[in-house]
Amino acid sequence: SAVISQKPSRDICQRGTSLTIQCQVDSQVTMMFWYRQQPGQSLTLIATANQGSEATYESGFVIDKFPISRPNLTFSTLTVSNMSPEDSSIYLCSVEEGNEQYFGPGTRLTVT
Amino acid sequence: QKEVEQNSGPLSVPEGAIASLNCTYSDRGSQSFFWYRQYSGKSPELIMSIYSNGDKEDGRFTAQLNKASQYVSLLIRDSQPSDSATYLCAVGNSGNTPLVFGKGTRLSVIA
Repeated sequence: SAVISQKPSRDICQRGTSLTIQCQVDSQVTMMFWYRQQPGQSLTLIATANQGSEATYESGFVIDKFPISRPNLTFSTLTVSNMSPEDSSIYLCSVEEGNEQYFGPGTRLTVT
Repeated sequence: QKEVEQNSGPLSVPEGAIASLNCTYSDRGSQSFFWYRQYSGKSPELIMSIYSNGDKEDGRFTAQLNKASQYVSLLIRDSQPSDSATYLCAVGNSGNTPLVFGKGTRLSVIA
């Protein structure tokens, strides 16, 4: 399966600041997915990122808050903007390979 | 709104027993079904996928799918303490579409 890395693995940020999370895959993939997992909760899809086009956001998530870049077929970034404590979550990128989805190790974000 | 329902647990089973995890889904057009295992503080790890009605076995794991009943299950035979984790059921459509996840069932295998 694809090897997925994320940076940073964790961070503690102050309210009102922004954090950019990077996701790198060791093979070319068409779609990359960004999920959020709040404490004790399941995974919620934030957006789908296709190379060369704007990301598609799920209901409740907007581009101004979660801008996404997808410059090539192996890399994507998710920015969490103007953070508040409610943004404290694990952020996960995911890719599909052979009809199965695999997850990166996640970025644990704490907003104080 | 597509939904995936799981019993949150915790489900406690003794070591060596069979653990049975269940999941129902709302979208009758769903075509792909997955079970992920998530250890505390880690990301989800794919353990089983199933696409057609019936059973699929992989080692100690068996996934069962019944599309008429919109029901997916995961059986873990000879449960081990290392199987203690949260198990997430996920459902999708055709390729390159995002998955819808259940809230997960926490399994505890007691030695």
